[in-house]
Order: sequence, then structure tokens, then C-alpha cells
Amino acid sequence: DTGVSQDPRHKITKRGQNVTFRCDPISEHNRLYWYRQTLGQGPEFLTYFQNEAQLEKSRLLSDRFSAERPKGSFSTLEIQRTEQGDSAMYLCASSLGNAGELFFGEGSRLTVL
Amino acid sequence: AQSVTQLDSQVPVFEEAPVELRCNYSSSVSVYLFWYVQYPNQGLQLLLKYLSGSTLVKGINGFEAEFNKSQTSFHWRKPSVHISDTAEYFCAVSDRGDSWGKFQFGAGTQVVVTP
Repeated sequence: DTGVSQDPRHKITKRGQNVTFRCDPISEHNRLYWYRQTLGQGPEFLTYFQNEAQLEKSRLLSDRFSAERPKGSFSTLEIQRTEQGDSAMYLCASSLGNAGELFFGEGSRLTVL
Repeated sequence: AQSVTQLDSQVPVFEEAPVELRCNYSSSVSVYLFWYVQYPNQGLQLLLKYLSGSTLVKGINGFEAEFNKSQTSFHWRKPSVHISDTAEYFCAVSDRGDSWGKFQFGAGTQVVVTP
């Protein structure tokens, strides 16, 4: 399968723990996006990359959230000191350039106890 | 700032009946408009996009959406639904230019098709 893959698909953690999600985009796609989706809501934009450059991070929800794409391929989204309000689906998408269709992964569901 | 309003949170519909999903947006600049579908435990899939040109955009399975600039709407329609169309549908808007991919999504409309 050559689509966008995300790992893990599900993560259950205790409040205060750190979690990291990984996204592998479609191989030739240079743009990568992170979204968050809470129950009953549409996805909410968090941040995006063009190659390894993070073009915007002002929408990251707090300084506990950070994302990297060190070599312009896969990306990680880390949440430090998780809170119950962080429970959500974290979606990754990729596109070819700034006009290509966004392809979404199946998401990583986080449950914070 | 942009906002997207999907006027119906859930739409029950009988198989082979028509359905329309309503989407209104607000933006101070010209925008691109999209409809996505999400099946349970799956990622979002693009159904339609309006970038420019004809205001009536047609999809591959008989559905279409119409952009109305004066009413700032992008309603989605399908003349005859199938059980397999049961899913959540999202309308999204994006500024033109380098903001490609920074979508503002609506809250979604759950379509439930029954026999």
C-alpha cells in the first residue's frame, strides 16, 4: 500500500505521559500536514511542512505540542505531559506541492486516562 | 478568519432517494472549496473540489456540488443514494495561494441511508 500511513493507530496513555505519533507520507509528496479531530467535529489544522521546513506552527494547540520532519520524509508529532483534553484522532495528510490533492492517513487515536 | 457551517449534523435518507448537504462559509478572501467523505475508522477522501471556473462541480458517482459566491455556499447533492453512501461528509475551505492544505473544516454531516 502506498498511501499515507500512521503509527500507532491507537494509543492509550495516562495523564502526564508523553506520546509520539509517526506519519509516513506518500513517497514523492513534499508537503505534510497534521490535523486533530475530536468527536463530533471536523478536523482542525495544526501544522504543516514543505520538505523539512515547518511552514506554520502557530496553530499547534500549546507548547506541549511539537512536530518535526527532519529529513523531509516521515514526520512525528509529540505531545508532552498529556491531558485528558488531548484525547482525539490525530490525522496526517500529504500532497504534492501547493496545489495537489491532500491524501489523508487513517489517523492515530489517542485516549488519555 | 474563515469559518464553515454545515447546517445539518445528521441527515437520514432512504435508499435511492436524493440528498442535499448544505455548506456555508465565510471568508474575507477568495477561497477554494472542498467536500470530503469519511467512512468509519478510515481517513478522509476527497469527493469534489472547486478551484475556479464552472460553479457546478461534478463527481464520479453521480454527485455534484454548486458554488454560489453571492450566498457563500457550496452545497453537495446526490440524486440517488445507496446504502454504501452512509458516512460522514465534511465541507472545507482553504485560502488561495501558499495556504494550500490549511483547511478549515465544517463540523460534518452524518448521512445515514436506510433501505
